[in-house]
Amino acid sequence: GENVEQHPSTLSVQEGDSAVIKCTYSDSASNYFPWYKQELGKRPQLIIDIRSNVGEKKDQRIAVTLNKTAKHFSLHITETQPEDSAVYFCAAEGNNFNKFYFGSGTKLNVKP
Amino acid sequence: EAGVAQSPRYKIIEKRQSVAFWCNPISGHATLYWYQQILGQGPKLLIQFQNNGVVDDSQLPKDRFSAERLKGVDSTLKIQPAKLEDSAVYLCASSQRFRSHEQFFGPGTRLTVL
Repeated sequence: GENVEQHPSTLSVQEGDSAVIKCTYSDSASNYFPWYKQELGKRPQLIIDIRSNVGEKKDQRIAVTLNKTAKHFSLHITETQPEDSAVYFCAAEGNNFNKFYFGSGTKLNVKP
Repeated sequence: EAGVAQSPRYKIIEKRQSVAFWCNPISGHATLYWYQQILGQGPKLLIQFQNNGVVDDSQLPKDRFSAERLKGVDSTLKIQPAKLEDSAVYLCASSQRFRSHEQFFGPGTRLTVL
């Protein structure tokens, strides 16, 4: 099956700085890559996603890039704010439609 | 639209006891998932339903875990008997599958096994 690795496990940045979280995957057939944000004690929520036929996608302060050849994708958050503090999970959709394999998560701390 | 509902939100049991969790997906969502999220890890899929049929249960410990989705709507996940290592948050999610990849998560049930 698919194997998704995510790093770093923790990331601390100053408010206003950028944050980058990276994930790699093993199954070259994977073609959908969502990112979820999970605040403490709350449910994971989709913040951005990308399909394999696209190299980059942006939504205001967040962006995701995908390198299919290298099998890695990254989340970029610019102008970070304290409310961005949360755990972020990447995922890759495996061979079975809608079966997600999640990374281990990155705890982002934005210091005011 | 209303979100995915789960109950209970918290449960504390002794090892070897039984426990059941309930999930009500978003109306119209044919696909339902149960995930186990151990502290500090990402969600791990336990079972996936399409309507009331099982699509994938390859990571469900079938000697102690069972799940059903009667009538293709609500679902229950049961653990019998529980072990200490079952302590985790159990997340239910649903999706429209053929219209969208997005999975919508419920608030989860935090299980502590003592």
